[in-house]
Amino acid sequence: DAMVIQNPRYQVTQFGKPVTLSCSQTLNHNVMYWYQQKSSQAPKLLFHYYDKDFNNEADTPDNFQSRRPNTSFCFLDIRSPGLGDAAMYLCATSRTATNEKLFFGSGTQLSVL
Amino acid sequence: AQKVTQAQTEISVVEKEDVTLDCVYETRDTTYYLFWYKQPPSGELVFLIRRNSFDEQNEISGRYSWNFQKSTSSFNFTITASQVVDSAVYFCAHKAAGNKLTFGGGTRVLVKP
Repeated sequence: DAMVIQNPRYQVTQFGKPVTLSCSQTLNHNVMYWYQQKSSQAPKLLFHYYDKDFNNEADTPDNFQSRRPNTSFCFLDIRSPGLGDAAMYLCATSRTATNEKLFFGSGTQLSVL
Repeated sequence: AQKVTQAQTEISVVEKEDVTLDCVYETRDTTYYLFWYKQPPSGELVFLIRRNSFDEQNEISGRYSWNFQKSTSSFNFTITASQVVDSAVYFCAHKAAGNKLTFGGGTRVLVKP
């Protein structure tokens, strides 16, 4: 059974139209991450939550926001998607923020028209 | 800052051949972890192995084995007797306490029947 669940698998939005991607976990892990992965590239960390503490990467555009209303759910909000934001968005969890392995969801492939 | 380099962008083998994936890292941390993840076409990153910087003992797990050489900052990964299901992108990654997981650029492995 999937432990990190991302919906939808494919998301199409229009240029400039806000979009929200969702992630849920059944592992009760403290940390949740959002990664952006463009074609043939390595995943790039956007931000992560340790419990309710939000940690933004320095180079994450302001256009990207996140919410974690409870332990199980985390959302990625893209306020005004541009063509360059088309990518695979991966959610991941880990029990702590030290050196444990990450559990990844299957990702949401975002297309911007 | 950490950096992970996977020099091979793509490797193509015939089924049952062995394949070795190279990984070289740069770090100023004295304590760190190294990982290998597999990303099949479905998109989900799957954890394969983790090794801490104090443990240079190389191991074999089924068809997987790894060679950690701290003196050369290398963490190579070998798939023995490859199978078509091994076709995927493989990512090497580095993490130190308090720092994000840094991925290499990935190596695409294509196993032909």
